[in-house]
Amino acid sequence: GAVVSQHPSRVICKSGTSVKIECRSLDFQATTMFWYRQFPKQSLMLMATSNEGSKATYEQGVEKDKFLINHASLTLSTLTVTSAHPEDSSFYICSAAPIDRNTEAFFGQGTRLTVV
Amino acid sequence: EDQVTQSPEALRLQEGESSSLNCSYTVSGLRGLFWYRQDPGKGPEFLFTLYSAGEEKEKERLKATLTKKESFLHITAPKPEDSATYLCAVQRGGSQGNLIFGKGTKLSVKP
Repeated sequence: GAVVSQHPSRVICKSGTSVKIECRSLDFQATTMFWYRQFPKQSLMLMATSNEGSKATYEQGVEKDKFLINHASLTLSTLTVTSAHPEDSSFYICSAAPIDRNTEAFFGQGTRLTVV
Repeated sequence: EDQVTQSPEALRLQEGESSSLNCSYTVSGLRGLFWYRQDPGKGPEFLFTLYSAGEEKEKERLKATLTKKESFLHITAPKPEDSATYLCAVQRGGSQGNLIFGKGTKLSVKP
């Protein structure tokens, strides 16, 4: 199956600093990638849709200035959590669907962010 | 409003004890219902996609079925390695990546 690689898998940062998370599709191209967040014992919640070459679309309640998304190529999207606070601690997961075939989306392995 | 509800929240089975997980959904025009498996600290792993009522799909010990209001994931003679959280999701937008997830059912299979 198709592979989506997410990096880093774990990160601990100090409150007030910024953290960048990368999402790469290794063997397919994706014009659209998705960023989800998962709090303990909660559903995966879609945060934003990342569109190659254009602005991301954010879900209601998600601050676009805090969660910066860049989708510079057909295989890479990045999520930057700016001025992180402890309440931003969560599990962040990206997904991507191949553009050349109608298949399910493939998920990365997730990034555990802890803000101290 | 589109919504996905899974039950039970947790399920403990003995090895070989078959059971079913439920996913109830309300969505304006179902485009696809998805089942994923998620291991602790990992991203979801795709299992099945169902598109229309009456559809069924199987993979090893798992079988997914779909009606107009709910989906079931049947687990036949489970093994300890089937222990995981099983997630149900419905497609919301044009892409299969735009999904609304339920909270999942955490399955534990004891030897």
